[in-house]
Parts: sequence; structure tokens; C-alpha cells
Amino acid sequence: AQTVTQSQPEMSVQEAETVTLSCTYDTSENNYYLFWYKQPPSRQMILVIRQEAYKQQNATENRFSVNFQKAAKSFSLKISDSQLGDTAMYFCAFMTTGANNLFFGTGTRLTVIP
Amino acid sequence: GAVVSQHPSWVICKSGTSVKIECRSLDFQATTMFWYRQFPKQSLMLMATSNEGSKATYEQGVEKDKFLINHASLTLSTLTVTSAHPEDSSFYICSASGRATRAETQYFGPGTRLLVL
Repeated sequence: AQTVTQSQPEMSVQEAETVTLSCTYDTSENNYYLFWYKQPPSRQMILVIRQEAYKQQNATENRFSVNFQKAAKSFSLKISDSQLGDTAMYFCAFMTTGANNLFFGTGTRLTVIP
Repeated sequence: GAVVSQHPSWVICKSGTSVKIECRSLDFQATTMFWYRQFPKQSLMLMATSNEGSKATYEQGVEKDKFLINHASLTLSTLTVTSAHPEDSSFYICSASGRATRAETQYFGPGTRLLVL
């Protein structure tokens, strides 16, 4: 079974600073996808970034980047130049290639302090 | 692109009534739709997966007779909570994936808050 662990229930960061959210997962699969979703107070789930396991290069999307360590089964999210609008719950998620099911971590509540 | 809507955004109903929640993919054909439930300050729990034109596949512990799912077209799935009780009060979120999107990526609706009195 796939499990996703987010060990930081809450984090805070000063505006304009950088923060890293951690995520580890457990799987016996070799081909899969990893995602970070953001859920702001509106509760709308928004895709932040995705990573294919077969790609060694870390995914980046503007201020968001990941550190994907396949051997260590680690998938951390780095947010640079944090903005007030980044305040949200962040969920790490896993999906096996060819499957439909997304497995979510328990989330990290990030607060950006002005 | 890849916008998913849900209706209603919130609903209050009396115990024993049925409530229908709609999930629509607005700009793509959703071959697969998913229904999640989220309790306060918790993660999303997958309830069921539905493919267009097929019966939904329910996760273990989810009563299929209580949570009726219909995916009759490539843009619409509905979740009906039958004979709702206060313990069914929750935040229900749908997501969709399919054609013209990255098939492995799910796009989420804004959620529906259900309160059963």
C-alpha cells in the first residue's frame, strides 16, 4: 500500500523568505507521479506542481520547486519569495502510473507572516 | 483551462432528506471523476471513482447505497447523499481527469459544504 507522510503539521515563514515543506512516501512501485496541492481558506484545491518519477530533473513552477530524491522516497516543496497569498494547507500526493487513485498526506498548514 | 465546478457550494438540510451535489468539468471531457470527503482540519478521503457510463467504484467502508454516484456524461457527475444524517455533515469535493488534460492529474472543484440538522 502507498502511504504519504507529511511530518510538519504547521509551519510559518516571513514574507519574502524561503520555506521548505517535507514529504516522504512509501511504495514498491517504480513508476509514479507526485504532486503538491494547495488548499487556501477558500478550500479550493489547487495544483501547485507535479513530478514524474522517471524524470531526474526537479520540477519547477515559478517560485515553487521540488527536491525529488527517489532513492530516499522524499519529495519536498520549496517556496521562494513567500507571499501572503501562499498561506494555505499544502498536501503532498502520490499516484501510481496507470492508476487513478491519489494518496494524500495529512497536510502542512503554512502561514506567511507579513 | 481544466476548470471544475460544483453545485451547490453549501447546503443545509433536515435529517432524513436526500441531497444531490453536481460536479461539472467546464472546459474538458472528464473520463474519470472522483468524490472525496474532508473533515475539518483533515486530509481528503477518497469515497469513490466513477468512469463515464460505468458504475462507480467505492472505497472500502463507503456505503454505495447511501452515497449514490452517477457519471452519465463526460462533463457531469452527481453525488446523492440519501437519507442524510448529522454524521454525514462534511465538506465534499469532486475532482476530474480526462481528455485534453494530463490524464494523471486531477483537477478539483471548489467543494460543497453539507450540514445536516
